[in-house]
Amino acid sequence: DAKTTQPNSMESNEEEPVHLPCNHSTISGTDYIHWYRQLPSQGPEYVIHGLTSNVNNRMASLAIAEDRKSSTLILHRATLRDAAVYYCILRDLLLTGTASKLTFGTGTRLQVTL
Amino acid sequence: EAGVAQSPRYKIIEKRQSVAFWCNPISGHATLYWYQQILGQGPKLLIQFQNNGVVDDSQLPKDRFSAERLKGVDSTLKIQPAKLEDSAVYLCASSPGTGPTYEQYFGPGTRLTVT
Repeated sequence: DAKTTQPNSMESNEEEPVHLPCNHSTISGTDYIHWYRQLPSQGPEYVIHGLTSNVNNRMASLAIAEDRKSSTLILHRATLRDAAVYYCILRDLLLTGTASKLTFGTGTRLQVTL
Repeated sequence: EAGVAQSPRYKIIEKRQSVAFWCNPISGHATLYWYQQILGQGPKLLIQFQNNGVVDDSQLPKDRFSAERLKGVDSTLKIQPAKLEDSAVYLCASSPGTGPTYEQYFGPGTRLTVT
């Protein structure tokens, strides 16, 4: 899997939008961009994924740069429950089997304050 | 829909002892993963099963770790003998397929402390 780079930590105020960046300058044309998050003392959970177009779901939005070398996970109104480590992961569309594993980095620790 | 179940949630053992973890994936999920998460790091894959066959165990320390998935459903991960550096959270995940568009569903993990 291609490498991603994320800030170690970010802070946000509750009820404000949060933009979590991810750089993936070596992304290939068939890499999907996935986001998972891990709340304290829990296993990771899926947030969203995309290939080229921006994506929205009930949890978040994913904005993908036109050259696909970076992406941003957007939480529209952060709550205290969104405090977690957020992981940006690339997964190759052309590979299955062993390549379907998730290769986690250290992610971004998001702190949300009142 | 029930999630991925793991037990025990916590385990404390002395080095050189053995320990086993159990995982029950989401019903119908053919793919099962075991990850190891050391404090301050992201999870690292240990082994991946497709039904009851091993797909990837390249990062499993086979001299001390073993895993099996009986009848393509439940799975157990064993460590024998344990070392201090095995202290970590062991996460089980399952997925309905192996392609990169399938999301993985994680259990709560088992926190192992080796003293």
